Amino acid sequence: DTEVTQTPKHLVMGMTNKKSLKCEQHMGHRAMYWYKQKAKKPPELMFVYSYEKLSINESVPSRFSPECPNSSLLNLHLHALQPEDSALYLCASSQRLAGSSYEQYFGPGTRLTVT
Amino acid sequence: GIQVEQSPPDLILQEGANSTLRCNFSDSVNNLQWFHQNPWGQLINLFYIPSGTKQNGRLSATTVATERYSLLYISSSQTTDSGVYFCAVSRYNFNKFYFGSGTKLNVKP
Repeated sequence: DTEVTQTPKHLVMGMTNKKSLKCEQHMGHRAMYWYKQKAKKPPELMFVYSYEKLSINESVPSRFSPECPNSSLLNLHLHALQPEDSALYLCASSQRLAGSSYEQYFGPGTRLTVT
Repeated sequence: GIQVEQSPPDLILQEGANSTLRCNFSDSVNNLQWFHQNPWGQLINLFYIPSGTKQNGRLSATTVATERYSLLYISSSQTTDSGVYFCAVSRYNFNKFYFGSGTKLNVKP
């Protein structure tokens, strides 16, 4: 099984709302990633977790708050977002961090619209 | 970081035609993947190919690591092959993947 699941599939939120995106994998992977993808662009890395610890934060604004409560789950908490944060948010996982020789697998994404 | 360039940026094919997509990278890598992003946004793993040649049905890929490029071949293209193809690379001590800008493929019936 090479499945990464993400919920919700679609999310519309106002600029004052607080919401969370959820990502789950049961492949025993110990590296998990959040990406943001705008239309006609490649995925842009936001955060990397390794063994449930934050390994990389690509200078993401604090209105995005990641959390890795256990080795299978990755959350992205959203608060006071801006309309320009509207995008496809992708979660991915790999057995170990990117520099090792393991494939990365992506979830189907959450399409976020901020109004 | 590692610079990744993909070509061509856009490609329009008639169904049944063959195509070659290219990925050039600026540094030695030990991890290279090809993905297909379908119109719904799902990134599908096509090949994990840091070196050598692999084939899967109508698709095949070759990576020449010493010359820092990889090729993805699509034969007898179908409309379901439409979408964006991404190459992503990484190397030892780099904890993230570097993506190319993608090749957008449109296969017409």
